[in-house]
Amino acid sequence: DAGVTQSPTHLIKTRGQQVTLRCSPKSGHDTVSWYQQALGQGPQFIFQYYEEEERQRGNFPDRFSGHQFPNYSSELNVNALLLGDSALYLCASNLRRDRTYGYTFGSGTRLTVV
Amino acid sequence: RKEVEQDPGPFNVPEGATVAFNCTYSNSASQSFFWYRQDCRKEPKLLMSVYSSGNEDGRFTAQLNRASQYISLLIRDSKLSDSATYLCVVRPSNTGNQFYFGTGTSLTVIP
Repeated sequence: DAGVTQSPTHLIKTRGQQVTLRCSPKSGHDTVSWYQQALGQGPQFIFQYYEEEERQRGNFPDRFSGHQFPNYSSELNVNALLLGDSALYLCASNLRRDRTYGYTFGSGTRLTVV
Repeated sequence: RKEVEQDPGPFNVPEGATVAFNCTYSNSASQSFFWYRQDCRKEPKLLMSVYSSGNEDGRFTAQLNRASQYISLLIRDSKLSDSATYLCVVRPSNTGNQFYFGTGTSLTVIP
């Protein structure tokens, strides 16, 4: 049973560029959440997708956008990259109706903006 | 005020010691509670859920105090392999499906 898979694992981009990160949720899960984790900090919620719609959004600018596909996989897009966007981006999945279990995380994409 | 607050540590303890981490949350409508473990440069992994009556999993014991909005994690007989960052996670019932993470508490178990 595959867990959450993310790609790529590492990425280096230049300021001003755009990036797309990808996530496939754990089999059986229908909800995908994206988090940004800066060094030494806890994960910060970016947004969450369910039924191909953004359901909730954290305190992130519109440069951060996403998408969920019919197979529940998801993309995170970041435009006009800033140095401060350098972080570990984590995708987490869960089954929306099950409120007793936590997320399952992917191993993350480490983005470096230079 | 942050949704979830933890003492960042670091906690440096000898092998075999007992160590406790605390966490407070601000949203009284919080419904689900978890402890995650995160190793250096890895993703967080679920350590255990926290139930109202408290629960134990081997050397790990989690407690919840809803009145004080406080969660704890106790690790007994610490092992070198317990060295990691421990994240307190809260899921309110009035914010949809969003989970809130603390900044984590760093633990190093010393030989």
